Amino acid sequence: KNEVEQSPQNLTAQEGEFITINCSYSVGISALHWLQQHPGGGIVSLFMLSSGKKKHGRLIATINIQEKHSSLHITASHPRDSAVYICAVRRGTDKLIFGTGTRLQVFP
Amino acid sequence: NAGVMQNPRHLVRRRGQEARLRCSPMKGHSHVYWYRQLPEEGLKFMVYLQKENIIDESGMPKERFSAEFPKEGPSILRIQQVVRGDSAAYFCASSAGQGTNYGYTFGSGTRLTVV
Repeated sequence: KNEVEQSPQNLTAQEGEFITINCSYSVGISALHWLQQHPGGGIVSLFMLSSGKKKHGRLIATINIQEKHSSLHITASHPRDSAVYICAVRRGTDKLIFGTGTRLQVFP
Repeated sequence: NAGVMQNPRHLVRRRGQEARLRCSPMKGHSHVYWYRQLPEEGLKFMVYLQKENIIDESGMPKERFSAEFPKEGPSILRIQQVVRGDSAAYFCASSAGQGTNYGYTFGSGTRLTVV
């Protein structure tokens, strides 16, 4: 069993829909990261969370440390949000352990 | 400040050749992490370096792979005698320090293809 599990693996949405991607982990962590990767592209760090909730534009990330669960929400989704969203937990020597990603496609 | 610079962006090597991947961290960042993304798989940690020191190499294959981060110049990930299974995207991330006061910045990756 992976230490970091994401769901769903694939997600399609119509433009404007509210999107939720979930991440569960089974190990002790110092922080949790949400990352975005476009096909063939680099990786962009969206959020780093140790507790509570963070918001940046149309993106919201929450974490429940007791439940070992985090969610990434996208409000008013847009085709340019189409990408792979990756949850990663930070532990040990600050190395990241990654989920397998959620592939999001938003259609106009 | 151009962020984390990785070069080359694409690298093609024949089986048995050596591959050298470079990572220049952001200005002021002295911590570098290398990650590998195999085709259709998730990212995996390889090695964590600070200037002139390897801090954690628990994700490095035991043979053919090495990494360094000299006092001057970029961090280098070196793969000797490449095989087809080494074909992957290799990402570097840098940080200004250790601990949750510091975030990461990722490079655009080097896509290695072994033919």
